[in-house]
This record gives sequence, C-alpha cells and structure tokens, in this order.
Amino acid sequence: EPEVTQTPSHQVTQMGQEVILRCVPISNHLYFYWYRQILGQKVEFLVSFYNNEISEKSEIFDDQFSVERPDGSNFTLKIRSTKLEDSAMYFCASSRLLETQYFGPGTRLLVL
Amino acid sequence: AQRVTQPEKLLSVFKGAPVELKCNYSYSGSPELFWYVQYSRQRLQLLLRHISRESIKGFTADLNKGETSFHLKKPFAQEEDSAMYYCALIDKGSGANNLFFGTGTRLTVIP
Repeated sequence: EPEVTQTPSHQVTQMGQEVILRCVPISNHLYFYWYRQILGQKVEFLVSFYNNEISEKSEIFDDQFSVERPDGSNFTLKIRSTKLEDSAMYFCASSRLLETQYFGPGTRLLVL
Repeated sequence: AQRVTQPEKLLSVFKGAPVELKCNYSYSGSPELFWYVQYSRQRLQLLLRHISRESIKGFTADLNKGETSFHLKKPFAQEEDSAMYYCALIDKGSGANNLFFGTGTRLTVIP
C-alpha cells in the first residue's frame, strides 16, 4: 500500500539557519499539506497546496515559511531562518481529492 | 472559529472494559468529523469519519449535533487499542480541507 514518506526523520539545526523538510506524497494525490506538532501540544495546520499553489495557510505560516513542489514527486517545506519555537514534529499529508488525508511519519526538528 | 476539545489527556481502562473517548467541537460552518489514531512509533492514521458511519476495529462514533459531540466508543477494549487518539474536524462550508485537531487522548488498556 502506498505511503507518504518524509526525510529526514530527525533534523538538528542552529537558530537562524535554513532548513528544508522533504515529503513524497502518494503518487496519484493532488492535495498536499503540512502540519506541525510542538511537543505536548496539538497538531496544527500550516499550509495546503494544490495545482502548484498554496490554497490555504494558517497564521503560523508566515514569511519565514515556504512550500514548493520542485518536481513531480517531492513536496518541500522551507523555513528560512529558524527560531527556537520552530522546534516541533512536522507532518506532511496528502489526499487524492478533498477527502481523507494520509500522513507521513513526520520529521522531528530541533532548533538550538 | 473551529475548535476541537478532548477533555481527557490520559485514559486507562482494563482489557475487556468499555471505553469512551470524548470529543466536543465548536464550528462556524459545516463540519466533518474524524478520529485519527497514532500507535506507538507509527504515523497518524484515519480511524473513522462520521460521514461513512463505519465501525473500524470495533470503534464507533456518532455525531451529536445537539451536543456538538463526536465521542469514540468501543464496547470491549483490547490491549492493541493502546494509542494516542485525536479527534479532528474539517469545516466543509469554508471550502478548505485543513484539519483542526484536538489535543489528543492517550488510551492505555491494562491487561
């Protein structure tokens, strides 16, 4: 059964550095999402992406964040200048249409 | 504004006992409700959604619009049900598909 994959599984970075989190959605899916979960808190929506553009974004998704689908398979989340409060688990998800979202295993980001 | 409340962070039941995980929601549109489960060291996965009215792994959830609740129930808990459970909603009326999650309930089934 196809699954969403994410790399890396863990990332440690210094404050102010740029990070790129990578996701490979399920191949016939058209909608892509990023969520994050700060330790001990709820899973929060960041952004959704469809037809090569952002369709929805939350207040969290400020100018420091960007998403891209650089080729036919990858979907990336870039954080331009990381802050301590960006430390979280980042989940990618995809859905074929506006229906069930399938989640990746997550990337744990630690900003020092 | 959409909000999902799961009042219990932790819930322990004995194997074979009934289990109910509570979820209440508030919304400003037309919600679709979900339960997601995360077993130890595994990814978030859909357990059930209210529109399908399915029973998955013995779990059911009924949407009560009057009480704005979507509690998850199982008559006889099994050890393998131990996991983190998240209630979530999508506001279909907004045309968006982003999930709003509750804070989750960690269920432990005691053998």
